[in-house]
Amino acid sequence: EIVLTQSPGTLSLSPGERASLSCRASQSVRSSYLAWYQQKPGQAPRLLIYGASTRATGIPERFSGSGSGRDFTLTISRLEPEDFAVYYCQQYGGSPLVTFGPGTKVDIK
Amino acid sequence: QVHLVESGGGVVQTGGSLRLSCGASGFIFSSYAMHWVRQAPGKGPEWVAVISHDAKVKFYTDSVKGRFTISRENSENTVSLQMNSLRAEDSGLYYCARDPTQGMPDYFDYWGQGILVTVSS
Repeated sequence: EIVLTQSPGTLSLSPGERASLSCRASQSVRSSYLAWYQQKPGQAPRLLIYGASTRATGIPERFSGSGSGRDFTLTISRLEPEDFAVYYCQQYGGSPLVTFGPGTKVDIK
Repeated sequence: QVHLVESGGGVVQTGGSLRLSCGASGFIFSSYAMHWVRQAPGKGPEWVAVISHDAKVKFYTDSVKGRFTISRENSENTVSLQMNSLRAEDSGLYYCARDPTQGMPDYFDYWGQGILVTVSS
């Protein structure tokens, strides 16, 4: 069973700073089938990245994904005020078919 | 634009049943697999079930197998989740979500706003 671990649990940064969020899988994620989502309070998750590094439609270039195998990273190059939220990684195609990580909260320092 | 609207949530006693529905618009519904994803308060999302574009393939997370049934009606652009033998741990916000492919679970490119299910004793 693939279990996803995200770190840190909370990241306190200021607008304009760079954010690096980690997602580690207990087993290798097949074909880099990993996605990232952003969720703000009272809203549904929003797809940011799929295939580990492909930005979804309409996602700003400041969001980028990287990694393969067991280790993946979501980077926000310069935080905008609207980027403070919770971020989840998700693997697909493994066993079980779909799992989410516990999330990283990015809050304002 | 893609629009997903869930309905049918509410409060139900342990052991009871509930049927959720999701109406879709803004895309060719019959071309996409559809999922239900739930989220307990303060927790991360949890995938529940998927149905292929033609309803021939269905998968469930282990904890709901034998209790939940996903179905779809392409002529009406709806996907449903019949939930039986409900437990307290089934409580949460249930989202309908679109899969960008026809079959095997992938990521979720569009989500509804969610519908609340509360299972109480």
